[in-house]
Order: sequence, then C-alpha cells, then structure tokens
Amino acid sequence: AQSVTQLGSHVSVSEGALVLLRCNYSSSVPPYLFWYVQYPNQGLQLLLKYTTGATLVKGINGFEAEFKKSETSFHLTKPSAHMSDAAEYFCAVTGPSGSARQLTFGSGTQLTVLP
Amino acid sequence: NAGVTQTPKFRVLKTGQSMTLLCAQDMNHEYMYWYRQDPGMGLRLIHYSVGEGTTAKGEVPDGYNVSRLKKQNFLLGLESAAPSQTSVYFCASSALGRGTDTQYFGPGTRLTVL
Repeated sequence: AQSVTQLGSHVSVSEGALVLLRCNYSSSVPPYLFWYVQYPNQGLQLLLKYTTGATLVKGINGFEAEFKKSETSFHLTKPSAHMSDAAEYFCAVTGPSGSARQLTFGSGTQLTVLP
Repeated sequence: NAGVTQTPKFRVLKTGQSMTLLCAQDMNHEYMYWYRQDPGMGLRLIHYSVGEGTTAKGEVPDGYNVSRLKKQNFLLGLESAAPSQTSVYFCASSALGRGTDTQYFGPGTRLTVL
C-alpha cells in the first residue's frame, strides 16, 4: 500500500522568507503526486500535481514542487512567503492502480506566516 | 457555478441519533467521495460513487451508509451516531476516477457527537 509522510506538522516562516514543506511517499509503482491547500474553514483545493513528464511542477500562488524519484520526495516550495499563504497543506499520492479512489493523504502541515 | 456544496455546516448529535449529510455538485462529475478529517490523520475515504446509482466502500466505511440517487447528489448517513464519529466531513467530486484527476472539495461539515 502507498503512504505519505509529511515532515513537520507545524512550520513557521517570516513573511518574505522561503517556504519549504516536506513530503516523502512510498509506492510500488510510479506515483501520481498532489499538493492540496486548506484555508481556514474551507475545503481543500489543488495547488499542483505531478503525473508524468517534467519533474518540476508549477502551481497556483507561486508554489512549485519537484518530483525526485531517487529520494521518493515531492517537497513544496515558494520563494517568498505571504501572509495569505497561512493554511494547512496536504501532500497526497495515488495508489498502484492509479485510481482516484486510492488517493492517500498525508497528515498535513500547518503553515504559519509571521509578520 | 457553486462547485461542491455541503449541508449542514455544523451539527451536534447525541449518541444514538441519526442524521444525513447532503453533498451537491454542479460540475456534472461522475465520481463523488466522502472523507473524514481527524487531527493529525489527514483525510480518510469513507465511501465513494462511480456514477448515479452506484456506491462502494472506502477505507473507513463502518457506521456510515451512502446513496446516490441523482448524479449531482451524494448523501452520507449515520444511522446511530457514536462519539468516535466526531469529525469534519468533506465531500469531493472528480470528472472521472483516474489517478490523475483533480478532486474538488466542498467546505466541510463539522459534526460533534456527544
């Protein structure tokens, strides 16, 4: 079975600083990888996803992530944090069959942006 | 275009009571899902549907039932609520069920069972 580990349940950065949220996955076959964001009192929305092709994926709001097969990682980065980035971020991976119903989520990382 | 909507937003139940959560989507999506979100555990799939009139079990189906009588609606029922079902419930939909598909989420229902 596939799994996702997000290192750090809480991350704090200063406004304007680099954002780095870590995600490692395990999968017996090439994965599809996702980052979703959840703003307070809202549902999740897609930030970006990796399916095939280019390993550096750009998403909304200036976020990007790089798929590194050798490290089984899909870390999320943003060069300069903004106050509006404060939210919970979830990494997710689909399972061996490549079906959406096997989307496995990590436990989430709460990002705080300090003024 | 409202996307995915859920009612109610909040609910408090006593142990043993029943309730139904309603999810509606206006994107003509085939697949719909119910998740629960618990602190430190991410989202876990309860049930899902691959089309009108179909339902299937997910990772944590016990204590829940679902129905999809219309393509745009997906109902989640709790027949006899238990404190362990205190959680935030999210509905989602996707165009198809492929692993590459984006899932679109509703705003959630916060349920407390006393």
